[in-house]
Amino acid sequence: EAQVTQNPRYLITVTGKKLTVTCSQNMNHEYMSWYRQDPGLGLRQIYYSMNVEVTDKGDVPEGYKVSRKEKRNFPLILESPSPNQTSLYFCASRVRPGVHQPQHFGDGTRLSIL
Amino acid sequence: GENVEQHPSTLSVQEGDSAVIKCTYSDSASNYFPWYKQELGKRPQLIIDIRSNVGEKKDQRIAVTLNKTAKHFSLHITETQPEDSAVYFCAALKGANNLFFGTGTRLTVIP
Repeated sequence: EAQVTQNPRYLITVTGKKLTVTCSQNMNHEYMSWYRQDPGLGLRQIYYSMNVEVTDKGDVPEGYKVSRKEKRNFPLILESPSPNQTSLYFCASRVRPGVHQPQHFGDGTRLSIL
Repeated sequence: GENVEQHPSTLSVQEGDSAVIKCTYSDSASNYFPWYKQELGKRPQLIIDIRSNVGEKKDQRIAVTLNKTAKHFSLHITETQPEDSAVYFCAALKGANNLFFGTGTRLTVIP
């Protein structure tokens, strides 16, 4: 089954403790992206990747890092999480950049930073 | 960047009535406009999309219209059903990579 898989689904942690949210897709998609969803703000893009070793900032990249060492994986790293990063995070993939094809979203990761 | 505004933020309709959600965008370079439905606790799922060279697209009870000159696009749901209740997001793709979302509309269909 074609899917985008995120882990963990839920995480409660404390300020400053590094964490990684993994994202994996099995559709051989070139394009992957991370969003955060906050009430009243919709989904905002954090980082995206057009292919292996090619990443770029989205709208709200501060406090986040990403890497794309393999085509299928696109982890989101919070080196020193802060309470304002408490949010619902979605990973998404699309076949490749510039193509008018739908994005496939993962099930989301709810992060709470205390 | 791109600024996508979505209205209304909440919408309640009686079952069987129509629902209309409107979005505007700021950058005329945006060229692809998808609509997503997000049920409570679930992922956003694409329900319909439209490209900038098309004025209208329909899929059963759902239709989207695009006015490039005015830079606005709308989602129309006819004969609404309780299972249409969800949060709906419009989005605009600028360039190859950047998908900008509206702030969402919570649609409630009253049986």
